[in-house]
Amino acid sequence: GQNIDQPTEMTATEGAIVQINCTYQTSGFNGLFWYQQHAGEAPTFLSYNVLDGLEEKGRFSSFLSRSKGYSYLLLKELQMKDSASYLCAVRIHSGGYQKVTFGTGTKLQVIP
Amino acid sequence: DGGITQSPKYLFRKEGQNVTLSCEQNLNHDAMYWYRQDPGQGLRLIYYSQIVNDFQKGDIAEGYSVSREKKESFPLTVTSAQKNPTAFYLCASNKRTGIEGYTFGSGTRLTVV
Repeated sequence: GQNIDQPTEMTATEGAIVQINCTYQTSGFNGLFWYQQHAGEAPTFLSYNVLDGLEEKGRFSSFLSRSKGYSYLLLKELQMKDSASYLCAVRIHSGGYQKVTFGTGTKLQVIP
Repeated sequence: DGGITQSPKYLFRKEGQNVTLSCEQNLNHDAMYWYRQDPGQGLRLIYYSQIVNDFQKGDIAEGYSVSREKKESFPLTVTSAQKNPTAFYLCASNKRTGIEGYTFGSGTRLTVV
């Protein structure tokens, strides 16, 4: 099976930088996604990593180390609107099919 | 504009009744998925389909059924066999390559009364 771990909650200050970690144990790894989900809404896609390294997209960056089963999402210049849950999700390839399993999410609170 | 539409947004069901949640997309995506979200448990995969007339069980398929007769549509039926159906249900789709991530519908909140 798959096991995905991320912290339950984090708090950070407006304007600061926060790093949200995700570790995973799985077979058939075929990519890792980060999603943002505001309360009561559907998740929205932030990033995708399949190769080791850092992917930067504006204020958000995502890092992957396949050998360590580790990823992080880095949010810079935090804004109040960044208060949301951040979901780490792993895609696996199994038996000709691909499916995505989500972690339980990290609820980020940005304070003034 | 292309997108993925779930209906209804809120649904109330009496115990013992089956109910069908609608999911329609006009993104020309091959793959479609149903997830369930409960507080503190993240998203859990119920069923997925990567091509018309073919679908696979996810991690929590018991008590649910699906069909994929058209590329655009992937309805989910919550049967009376589902012991704890009250949850937020999310439908998603993507291209088979999947590197763009999912596009999610706005969700259906099902409450059993």
